[in-house]
Amino acid sequence: AQRVTQPEKLLSVFKGAPVELKCNYSYSGSPELFWYVQYSRQRLQLLLRHISRESIKGFTADLNKGETSFHLKKPFAQEEDSAMYYCALTGGGNKLTFGTGTQLKVEL
Amino acid sequence: NAGVTQTPKFRILKIGQSMTLQCTQDMNHNYMYWYRQDPGMGLKLIYYSVGAGITDKGEVPNGYNVSRSTTEDFPLRLELAAPSQTSVYFCASSYLAGGSPEQYFGPGTRLTVT
Repeated sequence: AQRVTQPEKLLSVFKGAPVELKCNYSYSGSPELFWYVQYSRQRLQLLLRHISRESIKGFTADLNKGETSFHLKKPFAQEEDSAMYYCALTGGGNKLTFGTGTQLKVEL
Repeated sequence: NAGVTQTPKFRILKIGQSMTLQCTQDMNHNYMYWYRQDPGMGLKLIYYSVGAGITDKGEVPNGYNVSRSTTEDFPLRLELAAPSQTSVYFCASSYLAGGSPEQYFGPGTRLTVT
């Protein structure tokens, strides 16, 4: 069975500090990993996917198959980054398995 | 485009009542999904559809039914509401054109069963 673990329910950082949101997964094959984000009063939306290897809003995430991790990182947190972040996995195709989410709070 | 729309936004049901959560998308997506999210938990897939007339169970289908008569609509039916179905329900859609596509989510329906 596939599983996604986000160990932190809440992560609080100061503006300008580095951010790392942790995500570990369990999957026997080759997974595709995603980060979805939900800003206050907005819909859940895709932030980035590992296959694209791109930086979105300053965030990056590298798939580490040895450690089965897909941590989300940003060097300098901004106030507008405050949101709920979900890591998600699929084994290919359409069905996503979500983690429980991490609430990121960026304090001034 | 409105994207994915869901109605109602909120609903309170009594135990044993039934209701249908509506979901419509105007992006001509072939895939549609229903998720539920319980407090402090991630989203769990209830049912999904790969096109009109085709539906399949997800991780937590018990107590729910779906139909997909058109590309645009994917209603979720609760026949005998139970307190365990108190949750926030999200509908999503995607267009599968190779690989794992981005899913577009609706705003959610908050359902309370008492």
